[in-house]
Amino acid sequence: GEDVEQSLFLSVREGDSSVINCTYTDSSSTYLYWYKQEPGAGLQLLTYIFSNMDMKQDQRLTVLLNKKDKHLSLRIADTQTGDSAIYFCAEGSDTGNQFYFGTGTSLTVIP
Amino acid sequence: AAGVIQSPRHLIKEKRETATLKCYPIPRHDTVYWYQQGPGQDPQFLISFYEKMQSDKGSIPDRFSAQQFSDYHSELNMSSLELGDSALYFCASSLGLAGTTDTQYFGPGTRLTVL
Repeated sequence: GEDVEQSLFLSVREGDSSVINCTYTDSSSTYLYWYKQEPGAGLQLLTYIFSNMDMKQDQRLTVLLNKKDKHLSLRIADTQTGDSAIYFCAEGSDTGNQFYFGTGTSLTVIP
Repeated sequence: AAGVIQSPRHLIKEKRETATLKCYPIPRHDTVYWYQQGPGQDPQFLISFYEKMQSDKGSIPDRFSAQQFSDYHSELNMSSLELGDSALYFCASSLGLAGTTDTQYFGPGTRLTVL
């Protein structure tokens, strides 16, 4: 499968911005995704970006895509304690038949 | 809006038993995916179906089988269960093949514990 890498842990103070980074290997992905998983819960789609875009903003979320470096980031503005969760980036295979998930970044928001 | 439904939500089995997990996709979605997430791990793709035909196969053990029925729901059958099969099993659905035209929408998962 494809390699999708993320840093494992991130801690920020409430109200600060969080930036979660992801690197991937498959350059043929049409879309790249960010999912949020709270403890014991399912995967919640946060946002996704089309591969020919550089940036997408959705309320407090900003996704940046550097296709040359195969680097994807998720910025959460004004991070709240409710944002504490594990965040997975994912890329679709070129056939669209499956997703490859990153290792997940555990975000802890300190009040 | 209707979401992906999985049943049961929790399942406890003993080694060497069998288990059947069910997934009901979002209405009108024709593609179903199964993922396995072990403790502290990222989801690993098992298998997918598009229009009732297997579309891709990942790291699904030979002890497992799955199918998609005419109403597009899917079942994952797991036999000769092992302790290592204890995991959260996610089903996802999409309209068409996700990753090209749409994304996958995930169900809440079935937590399988093998004792």
